[in-house]
Amino acid sequence: DQQVKQNSPSLSVQEGRISILNCDYTNSMFDYFLWYKKYPAEGPTFLISISSIKDKNEDGRFTVFLNKSAKHLSLHIVPSQPGDSAVYFCAASGYSSNTGKLIFGQGTTLQVKP
Amino acid sequence: GAGVSQSPRYKVAKRGQDVALRCDPISGHVSLFWYQQALGQGPEFLTYFQNEAQLDKSGLPSDRFFAERPEGSVSTLKIQRTQQEDSAVYLCASSSARQAQNEKLFFGSGTQLSVL
Repeated sequence: DQQVKQNSPSLSVQEGRISILNCDYTNSMFDYFLWYKKYPAEGPTFLISISSIKDKNEDGRFTVFLNKSAKHLSLHIVPSQPGDSAVYFCAASGYSSNTGKLIFGQGTTLQVKP
Repeated sequence: GAGVSQSPRYKVAKRGQDVALRCDPISGHVSLFWYQQALGQGPEFLTYFQNEAQLDKSGLPSDRFFAERPEGSVSTLKIQRTQQEDSAVYLCASSSARQAQNEKLFFGSGTQLSVL
């Protein structure tokens, strides 16, 4: 049972345009969401997060939106740059977990073309 | 070191062989996680340590998997009698936080295990 789903395996955008990566979750107990970025042969690196008490969090070119009623979140990258080309993972956790373990989606491969 | 270090980087094992994967977390980090990432999938939680205490091992797929962190720093993930389905990248992550402050989770580059 996939609790966090990223239904688009890949996305290709032109440099300078907006990239929108989507993520859906099924567990209503999740209350903290994160996006991680992964380059080949490297571990995931934290990008941005959002608490369920918010519906938007912005950090430079990156903005995460959360729609709790739809159990949906998205990551917007504006403007997209070739260096953003990587695999992006959505992850979720719940404060009810005393370990902070993350549940990851399958990932979306973003390609930003120059 | 500057980051989380994992060794070996690659491991090829024959089916039935035992393997040991090492993780050196960032110095002073309290929390340590192991994740398994199959090809084309996201990382899946295996186990969690707070210092030397293994507080959650609910993700370990079978009793062939064993993890330890005896002195609260370096951790070893051991897989006994490896099977082909164990082939995956094993990721270690550490955090200075004791609880769910996941934005401070730092991942290593992983060990890619191939079982033939």
